[in-house]
Amino acid sequence: AQSVTQLGSHVSVSEGALVLLRCNYSSSVPPYLFWYVQYPNQGLQLLLKYTTGATLVKGINGFEAEFKKSETSFHLTKPSAHMSDAAEYFCAVIISGGSYIPTFGRGTSLIVHP
Amino acid sequence: NAGVTQTPKFRILKIGQSMTLQCTQDMNHNYMYWYRQDPGMGLKLIYYSVGAGITDKGEVPNGYNVSRSTTEDFPLRLELAAPSQTSVYFCASVPGQGYNEQFFGPGTRLTVL
Repeated sequence: AQSVTQLGSHVSVSEGALVLLRCNYSSSVPPYLFWYVQYPNQGLQLLLKYTTGATLVKGINGFEAEFKKSETSFHLTKPSAHMSDAAEYFCAVIISGGSYIPTFGRGTSLIVHP
Repeated sequence: NAGVTQTPKFRILKIGQSMTLQCTQDMNHNYMYWYRQDPGMGLKLIYYSVGAGITDKGEVPNGYNVSRSTTEDFPLRLELAAPSQTSVYFCASVPGQGYNEQFFGPGTRLTVL
């Protein structure tokens, strides 16, 4: 069975500081990995995804994530936080050969201080 | 394209009432999903569909029903509303039948009193 763990339900950073949101997954087969962002009172939208190929994936709004198979991780980073990055972030995994149903983490709320 | 649309945006129900949450997508996606989102709990899958006429239960189907008569529409039915169904409901769709990202609607915020 697949599972996703997001470490830290809340992460607080200052504007201009590095953003690091952690995601670890469990899977015995190659995963497909996603990061979604949810702004207040909106649905989720895709930030970036890893399917195959290059392990460093770049997404929208300056975010990127690196798939590390040995660490079963897919952490999300951004070099410099902006106030507009304040939102809820969800990591999700789909297992290859499975049912195309993603498993979502519980989410991490990013708080950006001026 | 309008993408995934959901109606209503907000609704207050009394215990025991029924209602249908509407979901429509205009992207010709085969896969569609219903989730509920509760604070700190992420997304829980209620039902999903891999195409018109085919539906299946997710993680938390009790108290809900769905139908998929067309590719575009995937309504969620609550028959006897209970306070435990107070939540935000999201519909999503996926193109093709691969490992693609989900496209989400804006959500319906439901309160059962």
